[in-house]
This record gives sequence, C-alpha cells and structure tokens, in this order.
Amino acid sequence: DAKTTQPPSMDCAEGRAANLPCNHSTISGNEYVYWYRQIHSQGPQYIIHGLKNNETNEMASLIITEDRKSSTLILPHATLRDTAVYYCIVRVDFGNEKLTFGTGTRLTIIP
Amino acid sequence: EAGVAQSPRYKIIEKRQSVAFWCNPISGHATLYWYQQILGQGPKLLIQFQNNGVVDDSQLPKDRFSAERLKGVDSTLKIQPAKLEDSAVYLCASSLGASGAYEQYFGPGTRLTVT
Repeated sequence: DAKTTQPPSMDCAEGRAANLPCNHSTISGNEYVYWYRQIHSQGPQYIIHGLKNNETNEMASLIITEDRKSSTLILPHATLRDTAVYYCIVRVDFGNEKLTFGTGTRLTIIP
Repeated sequence: EAGVAQSPRYKIIEKRQSVAFWCNPISGHATLYWYQQILGQGPKLLIQFQNNGVVDDSQLPKDRFSAERLKGVDSTLKIQPAKLEDSAVYLCASSLGASGAYEQYFGPGTRLTVT
C-alpha cells in the first residue's frame, strides 16, 4: 500500500507556481520522498527526490517539512505541458525496495 | 540516448487468448521492471529482473503471467490465457541498478484491451 496521501486533483493557472502537497506521516528516518509524473499516454517520469533538506533541480523544487511528515512539490512557472498526474512516493534509496505508486494528483494547467 | 522501447503500443484480444509484450531497455541498464497500470490507478510492479535473474515476482499472477529476460537485455511479458481484468497498460522500466539510488526510466507502455 502507498504510504502517502495526495489530493486527487488540482488546477493551476499557466505561468503561476503549482504547489502540490503530499502527506507522509509514517515516513521513517531512512526513507526518501520521491516525485514522479505521468503525462497522458506516457510512462512515469522522475522529477526529484529528497531526504530532509529542500531540493531544487531544473524541473522543480521539493520542500520537506522539518518533521518530515509532509512535503510540497513546486513547479515554479507552470506550462500547459505540466498537465499530468503527479505521484509522491516514499522509499529508501538503497536495497531493493520497489516504487509503490498511489493514485497521485491530477494537475491541470489552465490557459 | 535512446529511451526504453516497447511494442506493440496497442493490442486488442479476446478473453482466453494469449498475448506477448516486448521491451528493450536503455543500453547498459542491468535492472528491468514490468508494471501493470489499470485505468485510474498508479502503476503496480509485476516483476523485476537484475540482469537475467528474477529479483521480485511476488505480485505476478504466475498462473497466467510469465516473463523472461534472456541474455539480460530484452524482455518479454506473456499472458496466457487473458482475462477481462487484464485490460491495462503494461509499462516497462529500466535502471542502472536495483538500488533506489538509481532512477527508473519508463517506456511508453502497451495498452491491452481484453474483450
């Protein structure tokens, strides 16, 4: 079972920042927070992951609360191509633990 | 670099027929995964290979599903006989290694419809 809770859907205006929340209240100390997204008719795509510090890459920023029980994925300037289902996943980054996808958040960017 | 290739992209079969899907991972990737994604749900791992050995097939319905990865490169997933509930997108993914430190790269998937 997925260890995360996400809203089923969100809308965001084009050009604005999209903030996608994720709750993971049972996360353990060695588990990372991963984000993937899945654009329609494509396979999932890795976005970013982090342990406890905020992370940023060319696609997005990841903000993790100090208690690590929740996080927010930020797409700073959303475009229509960011319309997708976004999955928040917690897992360790060693060993063989599989990616367990929940139902994610369907983000729709509004022109 | 070329991504994960899958074929066919679409397949329609009748129940009780058999079907096979093919996956060619990114060159050099030792780990290969097959996922099943039912409409409205996230992908679910069916089987994981490390080179040509099976690492995890705990969620593979072995009475009807089989998979192989001969020579540790390409892989095929077979369903025989198919049931209506097998209608789904079958995704193949690959990574450099099995550790969670390695990013998984997904193919476009094969959409199976069983009638």
